[in-house]
Amino acid sequence: DVKVTQSSRYLVKRTGEKVFLECVQDMDHENMFWYRQDPGLGLRLIYFSYDVKMKEKGDIPEGYSVSREKKERFSLILESASTNQTSMYLCASSSGDVSQPQHFGDGTRLSIL
Amino acid sequence: DQQVKQNSPSLSVQEGRISILNCDYTNSMFDYFLWYKKYPAEGPTFLISISSIKDKNEDGRFTVFLNKSAKHLSLHIVPSQPGDSAVYFCAASATNTGNQFYFGTGTSLTVIP
Repeated sequence: DVKVTQSSRYLVKRTGEKVFLECVQDMDHENMFWYRQDPGLGLRLIYFSYDVKMKEKGDIPEGYSVSREKKERFSLILESASTNQTSMYLCASSSGDVSQPQHFGDGTRLSIL
Repeated sequence: DQQVKQNSPSLSVQEGRISILNCDYTNSMFDYFLWYKKYPAEGPTFLISISSIKDKNEDGRFTVFLNKSAKHLSLHIVPSQPGDSAVYFCAASATNTGNQFYFGTGTSLTVIP
């Protein structure tokens, strides 16, 4: 069974801090994704990666960056956290083409004070 | 602009009856569609998918119907069970955009015992 693990379930940070959210998958998947989920807006794609050291912007990349140094790990970085980045963050991974479903972690509830 | 829409934020159904969740999309290039189920404090889990070459896909109690001309898909759950109570997201992708999926805003289903 695919396991996608997000390092923290809950995180509280202050405005202006640099925040790291970590995600690890154990199925050797090529593709990894970061989403945020907000009420009334569903899941919105922030960044994704098709391979090590590769990254692509999603729909809402502003204020975020990512790092993929190893195939199993995909990090989301909030360069200078702001209150409008308070959200649920979900990491996902998938293999192959679009017909393969994405497997999600349990999410990180991030609060920026 | 939201390319995938779920216009019903919530739905309540009696146990044993049929649940019908609806999803509309605007991009005619979408050719692969998925439904995910999400319980509170957990990540979304894949439920069922359909490719644009089909108009129906069935898996046990779950059936997805696709109407390409109307750009509409629906998920039928028969019979509904209390354990089906969750938020359901539809997602769509176009083969030429790689693995990027566009998610709807979700419908919260409550199955009343």
